[in-house]
Amino acid sequence: KNEVEQSPQNLTAQEGEFITINCSYSVGISALHWLQQHPGGGIVSLFMLSSGKKKHGRLIATINIQEKHSSLHITASHPRDSAVYICAVSNSYNTDKLIFGTGTRLQVFP
Amino acid sequence: NAGVTQTPKFQVLKTGQSMTLQCAQDMNHEYMSWYRQDPGMGLRLIHYSVGAGITDQGEVPNGYNVSRSTTEDFPLRLLSAAPSQTSVYFCASSYSRGFETQYFGPGTRLLVL
Repeated sequence: KNEVEQSPQNLTAQEGEFITINCSYSVGISALHWLQQHPGGGIVSLFMLSSGKKKHGRLIATINIQEKHSSLHITASHPRDSAVYICAVSNSYNTDKLIFGTGTRLQVFP
Repeated sequence: NAGVTQTPKFQVLKTGQSMTLQCAQDMNHEYMSWYRQDPGMGLRLIHYSVGAGITDQGEVPNGYNVSRSTTEDFPLRLLSAAPSQTSVYFCASSYSRGFETQYFGPGTRLLVL
């Protein structure tokens, strides 16, 4: 079993829909990251969080440390949100090593 | 600032050849790392460095060497390329440690025949 699991693997939505991507992990962590990878391949960090909730524009990330679960929400989705969203955790035993999920591929249609 | 740069963007090698993937950052970041990305798998850590002169192994270090002689540069060497090393390679950096916000390079696509 992977230490970081994402669901769903693939997601399609109509423009304007509310999107939720989930990440569960099985190790103790010092931080959790949400990343975005566009079809061109570039990877951009969206959020780093260790507790609570963070918001940036239409993106919201939450984490529940007790349940070892995080969610990434996209409100009012747009075709430009189409990308692969990746969850990664920093293991509390070695905070310098990130463990990545396999990603959620999101397609938003107009 | 250029951020994190990688060269080359694309490379084809024959089995047994050697090459160096270059990575540089101009943000004065202490932490740098190399990942490989393969279809159906998450990014996997190859090697990382927490500062000049300090390197350590990640999850999949076999077949790769690194060195960190300056803060800016973190080259990845393939000593004898194998088809299993066909992948997309990403370099990343952060201010001081691995749990901080990571800044990724554009990637190098490597094909080993």
